[in-house]
Amino acid sequence: QSVLTQPPSVSAAPGQKVTISCSGSTSNIGDNYVSWYQQLPGTAPKLLIYENDKRPSGIPDRFSGSKSGTSATLGIAGLQTGDEADYYCGTWDSSLSAGGSWVFGGGTKLTVL
Amino acid sequence: QVQLVESGGGVVQPGGSLRLSCAASGFTFSDYGMHWVRQAPGKGLEWLAFIEYDGNNVYYADSVKGRVTISRDNSKSTLSLQMNSLRPEDSAVYYCAKDRGWIPPRSFDYWGQGTLVTVSS
Repeated sequence: QSVLTQPPSVSAAPGQKVTISCSGSTSNIGDNYVSWYQQLPGTAPKLLIYENDKRPSGIPDRFSGSKSGTSATLGIAGLQTGDEADYYCGTWDSSLSAGGSWVFGGGTKLTVL
Repeated sequence: QVQLVESGGGVVQPGGSLRLSCAASGFTFSDYGMHWVRQAPGKGLEWLAFIEYDGNNVYYADSVKGRVTISRDNSKSTLSLQMNSLRPEDSAVYYCAKDRGWIPPRSFDYWGQGTLVTVSS
């Protein structure tokens, strides 16, 4: 059971837009920056979005991020077959019981139909 | 360009120990915090540990606290993970990842290719 909740899977047709949600609590998303990672099959994860809504150099603007309260959302517009991957959200959890730790969502598998 | 290369994975018996290493290049290693993350076959990402840029502060996931130790040698640009009392459920690909440089961490901007650890008799 992940601290951050993501839908297990989403799907959409090429060219469409999809959103992936990430739900947490005040001690993690509510209090810290969210980042998103793309993991293509058989490869290491790659940073897609950092500090809620910023894109690293080289990431196309089809990818967007937002945060509101204790939830965050990744948006992918103009879907391409090459976007089929697992997507993970992550953030720091400042809860005292944890003493501070990083938490990931369970991951969302994107299928481009 | 930033490169992170893990090594040290392999097959180990339950109860055994293993030391993973991550050789970093392409950036000033001593300026950045570093993480270890693992992924069991067919499962999601699991964060294990973080060490601040100077090694003075470390953080662990509850699932491995007391069994693993993260450390770094800034003179050699190397990150390590000592794992003891290994269990079959520790079998996974282990990644090292570079933090973007904030405290607390905000994101992991580079990842290694991973090293596979299999715990089996």
